[in-house]
Amino acid sequence: SQQGEEDPQALSIQEGENATMNCSYKTSINNLQWYRQNSGRGLVHLILIRSNEREKHSGRLRVTLDTSKKSSSLLITASRAADTASYFCATDKDYKLSFGAGTTVTVRA
Amino acid sequence: EPEVTQTPSHQVTQMGQEVILRCVPISNHLYFYWYRQILGQKVEFLVSFYNNEISEKSEIFDDQFSVERPDGSNFTLKIRSTKLEDSAMYFCASREGGNQPQHFGDGTRLSIL
Repeated sequence: SQQGEEDPQALSIQEGENATMNCSYKTSINNLQWYRQNSGRGLVHLILIRSNEREKHSGRLRVTLDTSKKSSSLLITASRAADTASYFCATDKDYKLSFGAGTTVTVRA
Repeated sequence: EPEVTQTPSHQVTQMGQEVILRCVPISNHLYFYWYRQILGQKVEFLVSFYNNEISEKSEIFDDQFSVERPDGSNFTLKIRSTKLEDSAMYFCASREGGNQPQHFGDGTRLSIL
């Protein structure tokens, strides 16, 4: 299976702090995508990083990709209470996504 | 910003009944998908659809499942004879082209009684 696996499973931080979560996968990929899911809601696309890219930024989000280690990280800087959600990495091979179990992030006010 | 829309948001059905879940993908997107998420579990790929035919399907997508794009805007998932284990959140997604992000709808929560 190519599934991404996130680490840690859960993360609790104070508002204003940074949150970092990691994703590991097993096979070659076209790209890796990060999604956010608020409880009981849909998946919101955050950022896509292609296999030939090493780092991407979008607002307060920073994603890295190390294809030699088959790993990626998502950094959320200056977290806010509204960032409380589950975050999933999804590996894209042959244009279907394989999701990990996610990291649940709680941002305390 | 254009978005994927799904209806209904919640569907309650008796076991053995047929159910149709509806999706309107983003208008200029060419690739369409269904995924499901059983409560507390990972999001799982069901099927991909391109150029009016199935591109790929998972082991979950057995003969009880079918997809259709009946017109230029809708994309449907049909489950012919629902089972208790079909209870899940079903997500539709669409993608514009190769190596582009997949955009998801808010999902349909399917409850089989």
